[in-house]
Parts: sequence; C-alpha cells; structure tokens
Amino acid sequence: AQTVTQSQPEMSVQEAETVTLSCTYDTSENNYYLFWYKQPPSRQMILVIRQEAYKQQNATENRFSVNFQKAAKSFSLKISDSQLGDTAMYFCAFMKQTGNTPLVFGKGTRLSVIA
Amino acid sequence: GAVVSQHPSRVICKSGTSVKIECRSLDFQATTMFWYRQFPKQSLMLMATSNEGSKATYEQGVEKDKFLINHASLTLSTLTVTSAHPEDSSFYICSARKVGETQYFGPGTRLLVL
Repeated sequence: AQTVTQSQPEMSVQEAETVTLSCTYDTSENNYYLFWYKQPPSRQMILVIRQEAYKQQNATENRFSVNFQKAAKSFSLKISDSQLGDTAMYFCAFMKQTGNTPLVFGKGTRLSVIA
Repeated sequence: GAVVSQHPSRVICKSGTSVKIECRSLDFQATTMFWYRQFPKQSLMLMATSNEGSKATYEQGVEKDKFLINHASLTLSTLTVTSAHPEDSSFYICSARKVGETQYFGPGTRLLVL
C-alpha cells in the first residue's frame, strides 16, 4: 500500500518570500503520478501541480515548482513570491499510473501567508 | 482544468430524512468518480469509488446502505445519505477523472443534520 507523509502541519511565510512544503511517499510502484492540491478557506480543492514519475524534469506552474527526487521518494513544493491568496491547506497526493485506484493523500500542511 | 459541479452546496435537514447530493463532470466524461468526507482541519477521507454502470466500491467502515451511490452516466454520480443523523453532519466532496488522468474536485456540500 502507498503512503504519503507531510511532516509540517503548519507553516507561515512573509508575503513575497519563498516557502517550501515537504512531502515524502512510500510505494513499490515504478510508474505513478504525484500531485499538490490546494484547499483555500472556500474548501474547493484546486490542482496546483502534477508530476509524472517517469519524467526527470521537475514540473513548474508559474510561481509553483516541485523538487522531485524519485530515489529518495520526496516531492516538495516551492512557492515563490508568496501572495496572500496562497493561504490554504496544501495536500500532497499519490496516484498509481494504472487502473482506477484513488488518490492517496497526505494529512496536509496549513500555510499562512503574512502581510 | 476540468470542471466538476456539486449540488447542493449546503443543506440542512431533520434527523431521519434522506439527502441526495449530485456530482457532475461538466466538460469531460469521467470513467470514475470518488466520494470523500472531510472533517474540520483534517484530510479527505475516501468513502467510495464508483465506475459508470457498476456498483460502487466502499471503503472499510463505510456503510453502503447508509451512503447510497449511483453512477448513472459518465457525467453524473449521486450520493444519498439515508436516514441522516447528526453524526452524519460533515463536508462531502466528490471528484471525477478519466483513467490515468488528473482528478478534479467538486466544490463540496456542507451537510448539517439537526
């Protein structure tokens, strides 16, 4: 079975600064996807970024980028130039590439961006 | 990204009544839909996985007769909370995806049972 661990329950960052959220996972699969989802106070789950395990290049989406270390089973999220609207719960998630298996979520990290 | 709608966004009902929540994928055909429950300040807890035209697969500890799931088409799944009680009060979220693709979430339904 797969597990996803987010070791930082809460974090805070000053506006315009950079913050990194940690995520590690455990799996015996070789082909899979990793995701970061954001859940703001509205509670709508929003996809932030997606990484395919077979790709060595780290995914980036504007101010969001990941550091994917497959051998170490690590998948951290870096948010640059933090904005007040980035305040949210962030969930790291794992999905097997084959079949219709559900996402496996970490427990989340609550990020507060301070003005 | 793809759009998933969920209706109603919030519902208040009396104990003993049944409540139906609809989940629709608006701009794609979802081979699989998922239903989650989320308690305050916690992660999402998977309740069941449903594939169009077949019976839902429930997670351990989730009563299938309590939480009825119908996946009538590739764009619609419903969750019915039967004979709701106050302990069923929660935030319910649906999600949809195609095989091997990104999973998209509905905006959630806040259920309060009095």
